[in-house]
Amino acid sequence: DAGVIQSPRHEVTEMGQEVTLRCKPISGHNSLFWYRQTMMRGLELLIYFNNNVPIDDSGMPEDRFSAKMPNASFSTLKIQPSEPRDSAVYFCASSFSTVGQPQHFGDGTRLSIL
Amino acid sequence: AQSVAQPEDQVNVAEGNPLTVKCTYSVSGNPYLFWYVQYPNRGLQFLLKYITGDNLVKGSYGFEAEFNKSQTSFHLKKPSALVSDSALYFCAVSLSNTGGFKTIFGAGTRLFVKA
Repeated sequence: DAGVIQSPRHEVTEMGQEVTLRCKPISGHNSLFWYRQTMMRGLELLIYFNNNVPIDDSGMPEDRFSAKMPNASFSTLKIQPSEPRDSAVYFCASSFSTVGQPQHFGDGTRLSIL
Repeated sequence: AQSVAQPEDQVNVAEGNPLTVKCTYSVSGNPYLFWYVQYPNRGLQFLLKYITGDNLVKGSYGFEAEFNKSQTSFHLKKPSALVSDSALYFCAVSLSNTGGFKTIFGAGTRLFVKA
């Protein structure tokens, strides 16, 4: 079991640039989550997919953020244009889609927007 | 409103002493309760969960948690703390929701174990 794989692990870019974060969930898991973690706001759920369909995107901060899941083994989170306040650690997690199942987290992407 | 509270930002304990990290919740229905641990530069890792049955749940690394329905609490415990237990701990509640389920995380409690 390779676990949830996120790339890149670190990203430093200038304000205004497009940023794409990638996630490969655990094979067989059919729920996928994107989170953002900062010191000020803690862990925030951005969006949740079930069977590749977005179920809850109420946590997406604004239109600059978008997420896709074209198939069961890949998801992207895109920020365009990026701003310094988007600097955070972004986590992807996956699980089986039943309420009592734990989520498995990747090791995150540390994003710094200059 | 549904919520999870971890009333302590930080817990300090000496190595070898018992530790408790507190969690209370406010949700409708029967919740599923979880504890996760986060080490530096890593994602959250699942420790243990309560679904039904025995109120004392045992998990990874010698941790256990006690479910108390009347107090709506799910405190994490360990009889003898190790320095390597120092980390950030999150309590979480999972509920059925339209289209699937919803997980609510607490704000986290940082545990420091001193040698």
